[in-house]
Amino acid sequence: SQQGEEDPQALSIQEGENATMNCSYKTSINNLQWYRQNSGRGLVHLILIRSNEREKHSGRLRVTLDTSKKSSSLLITASRAADTASYFCATDSLGGATNKLIFGTGTLLAVQP
Amino acid sequence: GAGVSQSPSNKVTEKGKDVELRCDPISGHTALYWYRQRLGQGLEFLIYFQGNSAPDKSGLPSDRFSAERTGESVSTLTIQRTQQEDSAVYLCASSLDYRGETQYFGPGTRLLVL
Repeated sequence: SQQGEEDPQALSIQEGENATMNCSYKTSINNLQWYRQNSGRGLVHLILIRSNEREKHSGRLRVTLDTSKKSSSLLITASRAADTASYFCATDSLGGATNKLIFGTGTLLAVQP
Repeated sequence: GAGVSQSPSNKVTEKGKDVELRCDPISGHTALYWYRQRLGQGLEFLIYFQGNSAPDKSGLPSDRFSAERTGESVSTLTIQRTQQEDSAVYLCASSLDYRGETQYFGPGTRLLVL
């Protein structure tokens, strides 16, 4: 079963606005990752945040992690039409023997030019 | 440098036929993963290979699904006696090792079973 749940399921904003997506998970983790997917094809890794980190930045991306609430958020600032894609959070399993990732259901972001 | 490649890009088959999907991981990546993504959903883990260790097959949905990997290179995912519910995008990913954390994905194979 999928561990991550994301909201909103879909988000439509204007170019230049900020987009915030949230992810919740169920079990203890080593790290949480965010991936982006264009047109239902391969995923591109965006950012990884470890369980002992609370916030991380990469360019226009800002990720927060609250392990007490088992939740994370991805903020994309100054959005562009090219940011239109599906965004997934993915978690590993603390103590797991493999690096199997559990993906959420995703947020579909549409940035209107 | 070359990323993960998958073939074919698209596959249309008739119910009951067998299909074979191929994945070429990034050179030097010892870990390889197969995922399935149904329309509008997230990714479901299918199977994981790490070096010469026994694969983690815990995600395979039925015994119609199997996968092989030759050493630390190419992997094939085989679906026997395909069913319509097998229609999905099948994604392959690789990472440096099982502690590699970041997984690099191929473009996927879109399978349609009629």
